[in-house]
Amino acid sequence: GNSVTQMEGPVTLSEEAFLTINCTYTATGYPSLFWYVQYPGEGLQLLLKATKADDKGSNKGFEATYRKETTSFHLEKGSVQVSDSAVYFCALMGSNYQLIWGAGTKLIIKP
Amino acid sequence: EPEVTQTPSHQVTQMGQEVILRCVPISNHLYFYWYRQILGQKVEFLVSFYNNEISEKSEIFDDQFSVERPDGSNFTLKIRSTKLEDSAMYFCASSKGQVGETQYFGPGTRLLVL
Repeated sequence: GNSVTQMEGPVTLSEEAFLTINCTYTATGYPSLFWYVQYPGEGLQLLLKATKADDKGSNKGFEATYRKETTSFHLEKGSVQVSDSAVYFCALMGSNYQLIWGAGTKLIIKP
Repeated sequence: EPEVTQTPSHQVTQMGQEVILRCVPISNHLYFYWYRQILGQKVEFLVSFYNNEISEKSEIFDDQFSVERPDGSNFTLKIRSTKLEDSAMYFCASSKGQVGETQYFGPGTRLLVL
């Protein structure tokens, strides 16, 4: 069946460090892929998405590329800020349009 | 920017009681969803709703659960007789379409069953 695996957190970085959060998936076909972010005390917000292989989603300095050969959708940012501290979720859209979620990765950025 | 809203933000109830969680989806969206996240676990799909009927539901969505769109704006999730294991954060979402479309989420309702 479909599934999403994310690197375990928490991930702790200093401000201006480079960020990678790994996400791999198992699915039939080529599902749309998403990164959502949850800031403390808030709901799930779409960060970026990609709907087909080799697409790159980007938003707020974050990027992720849909790699079908490695079934991955890793999240990257060149220089993180304290305000990026949040929980990041990778998700795929299953064949019946439900989102299937990774476990979430808590990111802590220290000044 | 339009957003999905949910009420209440927190709900505490006794086991066996009925609860209704309310959501107001984005106004021009046609597809509605409920997800839940038990503390420390993954977000799980419960149900999707389109054209006034359920289009998909998960194994979690048993006879104790129901959804309704009672008017043109609200979308509700009812749990008839709550159990301890229903304690979770419940998220409502909506989307314009389905294939590859972004689902927009509300802030969630934290349900605690005692």
